Parts: sequence; C-alpha cells; structure tokens
Amino acid sequence: DAKTTQPNSMESNEEEPVHLPCNHSTISGTDYIHWYRQLPSQGPEYVIHGLTSNVNNRMASLAIAEDRKSSTLILHRATLRDAAVYYCILRGGSSGNTGKLIFGQGTTLQVKP
Amino acid sequence: DAGVTQSPTHLIKTRGQQVTLRCSPKSGHDTVSWYQQALGQGPQFIFQYYEEEERQRGNFPDRFSGHQFPNYSSELNVNALLLGDSALYLCASSYVGTPTEKLFFGSGTQLSVL
Repeated sequence: DAKTTQPNSMESNEEEPVHLPCNHSTISGTDYIHWYRQLPSQGPEYVIHGLTSNVNNRMASLAIAEDRKSSTLILHRATLRDAAVYYCILRGGSSGNTGKLIFGQGTTLQVKP
Repeated sequence: DAGVTQSPTHLIKTRGQQVTLRCSPKSGHDTVSWYQQALGQGPQFIFQYYEEEERQRGNFPDRFSGHQFPNYSSELNVNALLLGDSALYLCASSYVGTPTEKLFFGSGTQLSVL
C-alpha cells in the first residue's frame, strides 16, 4: 500500500491561512489523494480529494504537485473549530480495493486565538 | 438525515467476553466499513461489507467478525476479548466503493476491556 508522510503537529493563529503538507512519493497513477480530519471525540470527516488538478470546495483547497509526489491542504482562514487531526490518504490504484482507507498518524493542528 | 449512527456509545467488558457493536449507515448508502482506533493512533481498517458479504479485510484475527443485514445496517462482533481490544470502534458508510466516494463516519463506540 502506498504510504503518506505528514508532520506530527502544526500551529496556526486564528483567521490566518494554514498549509498542511503531505508527501506521497510512491503514489501510483490511479491513486486519488484524499484528506479527512478528525475533531475531538468525533469520527473522521471528509475534507477534499483530488487526482491531478488543484481542487477547491467550501472547506478547503487542495494543491497537488505536478509530479504528484506531494500535496498541500490549504485552510484559507483557520478558526478554532478547525483544530483537529488531519489525515492525508491515498485511495485506489496501488492501495488495492478502493473501499479501504489507510490512515497514518496524521497532523495535529492547533489553532491559537 | 441522521447520518451514520452507532450503538452503544460506550461499553465496558471483561477479558474473554464477547461484544457486538451496531451501525446504521447514512440513508442511501449500501457499503459499511469498520475501523479500530487505539488511543493516539489513526484508525485501522478491520473489514468492509457490501451486499451482505465481507468484501475486504484488514490485518485482524478471526475473533473479529461481522454481518450486514438486508437494510444495510451492520454488526461487528469480537470474541474472546483481550485487553488490547480496548479502542474506539468506528463505522463508516458509503455508496459503493469507488476512489472518489466519500466515507461518512459515525462517532464510534468506545470499548474498554478490563
């Protein structure tokens, strides 16, 4: 299974942008890049996904490197509610059956008021 | 829409006992996956059910078994509980298993084995 590498923790100030990096050097051509986050005492929730092009939705933006070996989740204005563990996950292709998500340790984001 | 619901929310068992956890998927979803999350770790995939059959399994022993019912709800059974089975058990539902399909997770069942 293709692996991802993320920093263990990051800090941000409220209302400032946050860039959460993820390295996935062994990504295959058919792997999608998914991001989920887990708020305290809750199950993970979907944030965004992409294949090759940058993606935007109401929650965040996903910037994917041209060689697809890394990506960055961008929160444009962090709020206290964005404090969570963020997981970068590869899905499909070399990850085998697409129904299975392989979670790493994720990045714990702290947002300071 | 109630989303994914799991019951019970908390459970305390003794070593050697058996436990059954329940999950109702989000309306319109037909696939259920189960995950185990130890404290401070990311969730680990246990197995996935689709059309009432186990379609894929993670690296978990046979003590972990499941079932999916015709209404798509699911149960996770764990036999001969060990102390190491103490964890948060998460259920996730989706519609089929494509690389772009979002998984919706419940809030989990916190299992403590004493």
